[in-house]
Amino acid sequence: AQSVTQLGSHVSVSEGALVLLRCNYSSSVPPYLFWYVQYPNQGLQLLLKYTSAATLVKGINGFEAEFKKSETSFHLTKPSAHMSDAAEYFCAVRISRRNQFYFGTGTSLTVIP
Amino acid sequence: DAGITQSPRYKITETGRQVTLMCHQTWSHSYMFWYRQDLGHGLRLIYYSAAADITDKGEVPDGYVVSRSKTENFPLTLESATRSQTSVYFCASSEGLAVDTQYFGPGTRLTVL
Repeated sequence: AQSVTQLGSHVSVSEGALVLLRCNYSSSVPPYLFWYVQYPNQGLQLLLKYTSAATLVKGINGFEAEFKKSETSFHLTKPSAHMSDAAEYFCAVRISRRNQFYFGTGTSLTVIP
Repeated sequence: DAGITQSPRYKITETGRQVTLMCHQTWSHSYMFWYRQDLGHGLRLIYYSAAADITDKGEVPDGYVVSRSKTENFPLTLESATRSQTSVYFCASSEGLAVDTQYFGPGTRLTVL
């Protein structure tokens, strides 16, 4: 069963526009949720994570994500896109009490000047 | 230098050959992970290790062998490589498991002919 789904494998936004990358999870127990970014030919690095504290999580480079239990979502947003935001973004989930991480299939973000 | 390194960065091999991918971290993190990244699948966990001499299967362990005799090293071996194992392999480490950040290496691009 798919534990995390990212809607939209490719997203294009204009520089300065809102970035919205979607992530939905499936879990019957409280999950831990993560967003990672991957720049070309590099490994992944953590943007932010939800650990059951505040539902609105702020990360690096101006990104934030909101955990919505009712919608089983953890969408990533940034108010104003910058050219340097162009990268691949991965949502990941760790199901509590299970030693497994599941990554989404990734969303490639293109920023148009 | 501190961090997590992988070697080789690129490898071409033939079907049936044994291949070992190396991973080394300098943080003394307890947990280490191996993932493979394929288009349309995102990252999938192959194996992970909680400490030296403790390893466990992830989502896609078939065809792979791991060992961890020292905390800092976590080699991944393909005992008899197949074309379906052509992929980019990422090693990661983390201090803990629950909500701890995973730090990723730069990846190894493996091609099996």
